[in-house]
Amino acid sequence: AQKITQTQPGMFVQEKEAVTLDCTYDTSDQSYGLFWYKQPSSGEMIFLIYQGSYDEQNATEGRYSLNFQKARKSANLVISASQLGDSAMYFCAMREGRDAGGTSYGKLTFGQGTILTVHP
Amino acid sequence: NAGVTQTPKFRVLKTGQSMTLLCAQDMNHEYMYWYRQDPGMGLRLIHYSVGEGTTAKGEVPDGYNVSRLKKQNFLLGLESAAPSQTSVYFCASSWTGRTEAFFGQGTRLTVV
Repeated sequence: AQKITQTQPGMFVQEKEAVTLDCTYDTSDQSYGLFWYKQPSSGEMIFLIYQGSYDEQNATEGRYSLNFQKARKSANLVISASQLGDSAMYFCAMREGRDAGGTSYGKLTFGQGTILTVHP
Repeated sequence: NAGVTQTPKFRVLKTGQSMTLLCAQDMNHEYMYWYRQDPGMGLRLIHYSVGEGTTAKGEVPDGYNVSRLKKQNFLLGLESAAPSQTSVYFCASSWTGRTEAFFGQGTRLTVV
């Protein structure tokens, strides 16, 4: 069974500083995907960044980067130059690998989330 | 683009009542999902569908039924609501099982 662990219930960061949100995962699959989603206080889920298990380079999307360490089974999100609007809940999620027939159904397993608060 | 739209946004039910949550997507996605979000537990998969006319159980399917009669719609039904089903429900869709999922805005359901 897959498992995602986010050990930081809450994080605080000063505006314009960088922050790292931790995510470790457990899976026996060789092919899998890792996602980060942002959930602001309004409640919607916003896709931020994706890393495939076979991707050799760390994913980047603007101020977001994913520090992927496959051997350690970690997929930490790094937010550079934090902004007040970054205050939100952040979820790490893993997409299951393929079944015996080679099909991936896209089912996501989520961590418990980290609440990020950006101070001015 | 509307993306993924959930109806209703809020609902209060009495124990034993039934209701249907509607998810509609306008992106022509094949795959659709229903998740529930409870405090401290992240999101958990209830049911999913890999195409029109197909449905399958997720991690926490008990007490729910689903239907995918049209490609763009995925319905989640509660036949006899229980207080344990108080939660925020999210619908999501994706092109395939290997592409990012787009989420609806959520439905906050309270069962009293």
